[in-house]
Amino acid sequence: NAGVTQTPKFRVLKTGQSMTLLCAQDMNHEYMYWYRQDPGMGLRLIHYSVGEGTTAKGEVPDGYNVSRLKKQNFLLGLESAAPSQTSVYFCASSYLGTGSKGTQYFGPGTRLTVL
Amino acid sequence: AQSVAQPEDQVNVAEGNPLTVKCTYSVSGNPYLFWYVQYPNRGLQFLLKYITGDNLVKGSYGFEAEFNKSQTSFHLKKPSALVSDSALYFCAVRDNFNKFYFGSGTKLNVKP
Repeated sequence: NAGVTQTPKFRVLKTGQSMTLLCAQDMNHEYMYWYRQDPGMGLRLIHYSVGEGTTAKGEVPDGYNVSRLKKQNFLLGLESAAPSQTSVYFCASSYLGTGSKGTQYFGPGTRLTVL
Repeated sequence: AQSVAQPEDQVNVAEGNPLTVKCTYSVSGNPYLFWYVQYPNRGLQFLLKYITGDNLVKGSYGFEAEFNKSQTSFHLKKPSALVSDSALYFCAVRDNFNKFYFGSGTKLNVKP
């Protein structure tokens, strides 16, 4: 199993440009999440999904959109990138099986710089 | 509202000594508590969790955590630190909607 993978690993954008980050998991997990990690602030939830075709807002959703067209994929879009979106983005997935209680499995991260 | 506090930005400990990384939480309902570790340029890795039962939870790499309901704490501990334990540690709480709230992280430095 590859676990949770993220594409791309690094990206530099100019202000106003758009891009899509792809997260894929091969563990058949129902839940998927997008976080951003900034120094001294831990991880903050951007959006999440409780199943195929459903999405919901997290703590910091502004400026981002998501889609979950397939159970294994969760896409994070930036329509018009801003310097404040410079961050490291992590995807995670989880399931609520017995004993798991929602333990999350994380991808390796995408480092995004917006100039 | 759910929240997690890690009061120490950094913890320094000598190799072989015991270590403690502190975490306090605020959650409505029963707490589901987690510890994750992050090595440089890597994603977070699950260490251990408390759901119910014994207050002392054992996890990966010799780590354990003590749940204290009255103090709303979930401190991470290890009896004998290794240099390879140096990393960033995050405490997290899960709410009833399966959303997670993370602390700001504590950098653990273990010196030889």
